[in-house]
Amino acid sequence: QKEVEQDPGPLSVPEGAIVSLNCTYSNSAFQYFMWYRQYSRKGPELLMYTYSSGNKEDGRFTAQVDKSSKYISLFIRDSQPSDSATYLCAAYNNNDMRFGAGTRLTVKP
Amino acid sequence: ETGVTQTPRHLVMGMTNKKSLKCEQHLGHNAMYWYKQSAKKPLELMFVYNFKEQTENNSVPSRFSPECPNSSHLFLHLHTLQPEDSALYLCASSQPQGPGYGYTFGSGTRLTVV
Repeated sequence: QKEVEQDPGPLSVPEGAIVSLNCTYSNSAFQYFMWYRQYSRKGPELLMYTYSSGNKEDGRFTAQVDKSSKYISLFIRDSQPSDSATYLCAAYNNNDMRFGAGTRLTVKP
Repeated sequence: ETGVTQTPRHLVMGMTNKKSLKCEQHLGHNAMYWYKQSAKKPLELMFVYNFKEQTENNSVPSRFSPECPNSSHLFLHLHTLQPEDSALYLCASSQPQGPGYGYTFGSGTRLTVV
């Protein structure tokens, strides 16, 4: 079983749609949860991180963690073509960072 | 650029060649990492260096050999690779104490083994 499971997609949505990206994880020791965005021909860049359960909002992006169900979500409101990228979730505890496989998102104009 | 620079961006090598990947960061980070990224698979941690000392070797074949001469530079020496080693190799750096600012990744080296 992978430590962090993520559907690789691809996912295609029209501009303006609400996007929901999700991951599950197996190790209850994970305390920090992150979302990275990776554009084509670039390395991943940190988009958002949360500690433990709860929500965190940053502009059009909302990260949500439910530790009871070991579920990580990223919501993108009013999606734009510039949001087209691969989104990787990650979970971290005690120098152990585990990544999901990434979901490839395309937002069509 | 993110502050982590990787060279070369692309590399094609034969199975009998020897080549090296280079990574450089001037962010003042003390931890550096090599990751392998293959299509539709999670990022695969290969090596970790904290304060120039290797702290993790994730069962990586000996045909991959890391070198960290100082806290700003990291190399990955390659020899007698296999076609299945073709992938994007990413270097990252961070402060070792915690993930609050995440890892800073370079743009990667796209390696093709022929």
